[in-house]
Amino acid sequence: QQQVKQSPQSLIVQKGGISIINCAYENTAFDYFPWYQQFPGKGPALLIAIRPDVSEKKEGRFTISFNKSAKQFSLHIMDSQPGDSATYFCAASAQFAGANNLFFGTGTRLTVIP
Amino acid sequence: DAGVIQSPRHEVTEMGQEVTLRCKPISGHDYLFWYRQTMMRGLELLIYFNNNVPIDDSGMPEDRFSAKMPNASFSTLKIQPSEPRDSAVYFCASRQGARTGELFFGEGSRLTVL
Repeated sequence: QQQVKQSPQSLIVQKGGISIINCAYENTAFDYFPWYQQFPGKGPALLIAIRPDVSEKKEGRFTISFNKSAKQFSLHIMDSQPGDSATYFCAASAQFAGANNLFFGTGTRLTVIP
Repeated sequence: DAGVIQSPRHEVTEMGQEVTLRCKPISGHDYLFWYRQTMMRGLELLIYFNNNVPIDDSGMPEDRFSAKMPNASFSTLKIQPSEPRDSAVYFCASRQGARTGELFFGEGSRLTVL
């Protein structure tokens, strides 16, 4: 059972365009939503994270939008660059499940075309 | 700090052979996680340790898999006997304290079982 559903599986965007990756969850106990970025041959690395008490968080060209009522959150990459080409994972965490409770989505492979 | 260090980076073995993957977490981190990544299933948590003690191994696929953490700076994941369906990238990750803390991943061990 996938706790966090992520789409699309792959995404191709022109340089300068906006990349949008969506995630949805069911468990309302989730209260921490990080995004991880993974380059080929590397491990995932934390990109940006949000808590449900805010609807948006922005760091540079990366923005998380959070819709608590719809139980959805998304990653927007503005002015996408070829260097952003990577696999992106959304994740969700809840205290109820104990110390490890980081549930990952299945990932989105982003390709930014020059 | 050198980050999470995993070895070997690549392993090719034949079905039935024993495979041992190694991990050195970041010094001072008290949580260590083993994940498996495949195209079909994404990132799956296999097992995690807190202060060298295994806390949750419910993700370990079957008895052929075992993990140990004899001290704070070393952990192993062993597969015996290995099967072709075990082919995947295995990641070790570590974290300090709180569940909302950043998870630091190693670069992974790519296992191919022929």
